[in-house]
This record gives sequence, C-alpha cells and structure tokens, in this order.
Amino acid sequence: DTAVSQTPKYLVTQMGNDKSIKCEQNLGHDTMYWYKQDSKKFLKIMFSYNNKELIINETVPNRFSPKSPDKAHLNLHINSLELGDSAVYFCASSSPWTGENEQFFGPGTRLTVL
Amino acid sequence: KQEVTQIPAALSVPEGENLVLNCSFTDSAIYNLQWFRQDPGKGLTSLLLIQSSQREQTSGRLNASLDKSSGRSTLYIAASQPGDSATYLCAGGEGNTGKLIFGQGTTLQVKP
Repeated sequence: DTAVSQTPKYLVTQMGNDKSIKCEQNLGHDTMYWYKQDSKKFLKIMFSYNNKELIINETVPNRFSPKSPDKAHLNLHINSLELGDSAVYFCASSSPWTGENEQFFGPGTRLTVL
Repeated sequence: KQEVTQIPAALSVPEGENLVLNCSFTDSAIYNLQWFRQDPGKGLTSLLLIQSSQREQTSGRLNASLDKSSGRSTLYIAASQPGDSATYLCAGGEGNTGKLIFGQGTTLQVKP
C-alpha cells in the first residue's frame, strides 16, 4: 500500500524517559512533517524536512529532535519526556514539485507520559 | 501571522440534508487551503485541496470553495450520510514551505 506509516501506534512511558517515533512514506515525496495534536484536538506543526534538510522548526523544546536519514524517513526523538508531551503525533508528507503541496498524513502515534 | 477558525465546533444534521462547513482565515496571501476528515482515533484523510489561484474544487458529493478577499472557505456536503460523521478540519498553507495552519475542526454527526 502506498502510504505514510508510523511506528509505534501507541507509546506509554514514564516521565524522564527518552523515546523515538518513526515515520516512513513510500509516496516518493520530498517533504515530510511532524505535527502534534493536543488533548483539545488542535493540530500544530512542529518540524518540516525537505530532502533531508530542515525547513521548518517551530518553537518546540529542544528535547525534541527530528532526524531524516533519507527523504523517505523522518523520525522524532524526544528526550526527558514530560507529562505535557502526552499527545498524538502525526507525520505527513507532500511533494512541492507538483505545485500543489497536498499533504498526506500517517495514522498517528498516541504518546502517553505517566 | 495566519490564523484559521472553524465555526461551529459541532454540528448535528439528519441524514439526507445538504450542509455547509465554514472556515475563515486572516491572511489573504494564503498559499492553498486543504480540507481533511478525521475519524475518531484515526489519522487525517485529505478531502480537497484548493490552490490560491482557484475558486473551488469538487470530489463526489463534496465541493470546497475559496474566497481570498473575504478570508473564507466552505465545504459543501450534498445528501449527507451517517458515514460522513467525523471531524472536518481546514488548514491554510503558509508560503510554499508546506506549513499548514489548522482550524480547530467541526465535528459533524449525521443522524439516520
């Protein structure tokens, strides 16, 4: 299936731990994104990478570090997890070269910090 | 700075009704506008994308319009069905970086 996939789907961990979320797209897109959806369902962009280069870096704590090993993958590593990090994290991808930049989203990773 | 607002937050209609979901944005220099559907516990499904140079897009029973001068977009759903029940999100594109600014969504319930 052509899609944006994320692992894991659910992540439950203790405060202070370090965790990673992985994202892969097989749509051939050049640009990938991380969004955070809070408890009120509000979605906000965190990061964007274009062909492994950081393009957007919103005001996100530096405990969050994205890594793009290649243009099909964008992983999110979170250090020293805090209660407020509990949210659903969505990965997305798009191709600016079509001129449209339509974004396609993964299924989300629900992170719960205890 | 672009801000996107969706009103109402929730809407309940009987099956078969035609309905309009509203989205407003503050910066008319919007790059594009994308409508998504989100089912509970699921990811976002792209419904329609309107470029800044376009006025509307159609897909099946869905029609989305864009009026940059008034800062508004609407999503028209014809002959609504219970399967249309979901949260509908609009998002404005800011520049060609791909950055999307999301509204808070309208949760639609279509009653059989």
